[in-house]
Amino acid sequence: GDSVTQMEGPVTLSEEAFLTINCTYTATGYPSLFWYVQYPGEGLQLLLKATKADDKGSNKGFEATYRKETTSFHLEKGSVQVSDSAVYFCALSASGTYKYIFGTGTRLKVLA
Amino acid sequence: DAGVTQSPTHLIKTRGQQVTLRCSPISGHKSVSWYQQVLGQGPQFIFQYYEKEERGRGNFPDRFSARQFPNYSSELNVNALLLGDSALYLCASSFAASSYNEQFFGPGTRLTVL
Repeated sequence: GDSVTQMEGPVTLSEEAFLTINCTYTATGYPSLFWYVQYPGEGLQLLLKATKADDKGSNKGFEATYRKETTSFHLEKGSVQVSDSAVYFCALSASGTYKYIFGTGTRLKVLA
Repeated sequence: DAGVTQSPTHLIKTRGQQVTLRCSPISGHKSVSWYQQVLGQGPQFIFQYYEKEERGRGNFPDRFSARQFPNYSSELNVNALLLGDSALYLCASSFAASSYNEQFFGPGTRLTVL
């Protein structure tokens, strides 16, 4: 079945460091891919999305490129801030379905 | 514009009881989905409703049921609660029931079963 695999956390970085959170997926067809962020005590917020191969989603300095050949959608940011500390979820929505399939989440902690 | 709203925020129940969770979608959105997020894990899909009809169901027992009302709000019911039902229940709305449509999530209802 369809699935999403994320790198395990927690990931601890110093402010202004480069961030990569790996995400790979398994799906039939051409899924849409998403990154959501969850701050402590809050619901999920969409960070970025890509709906077809080679699309690059970007928002708030975060980027991810839909790589069909490697079935990946890695999240990157060039310079993290303390305020980026949160849990990040990679998700897919397979074509022809309505549900999102989420990864287990990666906790990011950024130290000043 | 208001986002997705859920009520109540927190709920404490005992095993065997029944619970009803409520969700109001973003104005204009016709699709509502429910997810269960157990601590430390990603959300798991429970149901999706579109135009008051069930469009999808996840791998959850029949103790879980839901419905959508004419104003597109939705309720999730869980009967015969088990300790393992303790989780954050998230509601998400989208304009239509399509894999391309972004889902907007509410803040969730934290259910604790004792």
